[in-house]
Amino acid sequence: QKEVEQNSGPLSVPEGAIASLNCTYSDRGSQSFFWYRQYSGKSPELIMSIYSNGDKEDGRFTAQLNKASQYVSLLIRDSQPSDSATYLCAVIFPSGYSTLTFGKGTMLLVSP
Amino acid sequence: DVKVTQSSRYLVKRTGEKVFLECVQDMDHENMFWYRQDPGLGLRLIYFSYDVKMKEKGDIPEGYSVSREKKERFSLILESASTNQTSMYLCASSYPSGGGGTDTQYFGPGTRLTVL
Repeated sequence: QKEVEQNSGPLSVPEGAIASLNCTYSDRGSQSFFWYRQYSGKSPELIMSIYSNGDKEDGRFTAQLNKASQYVSLLIRDSQPSDSATYLCAVIFPSGYSTLTFGKGTMLLVSP
Repeated sequence: DVKVTQSSRYLVKRTGEKVFLECVQDMDHENMFWYRQDPGLGLRLIYFSYDVKMKEKGDIPEGYSVSREKKERFSLILESASTNQTSMYLCASSYPSGGGGTDTQYFGPGTRLTVL
C-alpha cells in the first residue's frame, strides 16, 4: 500500500521563524521525493526535489531525507507571510512508472 | 520554462453530458498525468500515459477515460458526467523516472469542473 502521511495543520509560525514540515512514507525502496507548494485556488508548484540521504538547500528552503526512517522534511527559514500555503509532500514509489503519490498536505500560516 | 496548459479554468456541465478536458505540454515530455483534487482527499491520480497511444489506470479511473494521440496532448474524458465528479482537475507532465530531477512533474493551472 502506497501511503504518504503529513500533518494537516495548520502550522502557525511568526514571520522570521523557521517552519518545519514533516512527511513519512510507506515504502523503504522509494528513491524520489518532492515538495510542492500550493496556494489556495492554484496548482502545485515544485519547491524542491531530493534523492539522497541528508540535506539539500535552496535559498531559504532545506529538504532533509532519511531513507532508513522513511522520513522527509522541509525547513523554511526566515518565514514570510507569502509562504502561507499548503505544502504537499510527494513520493515516487518503486513501480516501474514515474507516478507520484501525494500526502494530503500541511497548511502553513505565517503571521506578520 | 516548462509550460502545461489546460483548455478551461472553469467549466459547468449537466449530469449525463460527455465532458472533454484537454491538456497540452510544450516540453516534449513522455509522461502525462491526470489528477483530481478534493478537500480532505488530496491529489489522486486518475490516469497516466507514458507514450503516445499508451495509457495506464491510476488510483481512481472509474468513470473516466483518456486519449493520447499526440505526444504533447492528453485528454481526459468523462463519458457521462455525474455530480460526484465535481472537482478540481489537474494535468501534469514529466520525463520518465531517472532521478536527478528528470522525473519532476510540472502542473497545469487546473480546471474547476462543476457538474449540476
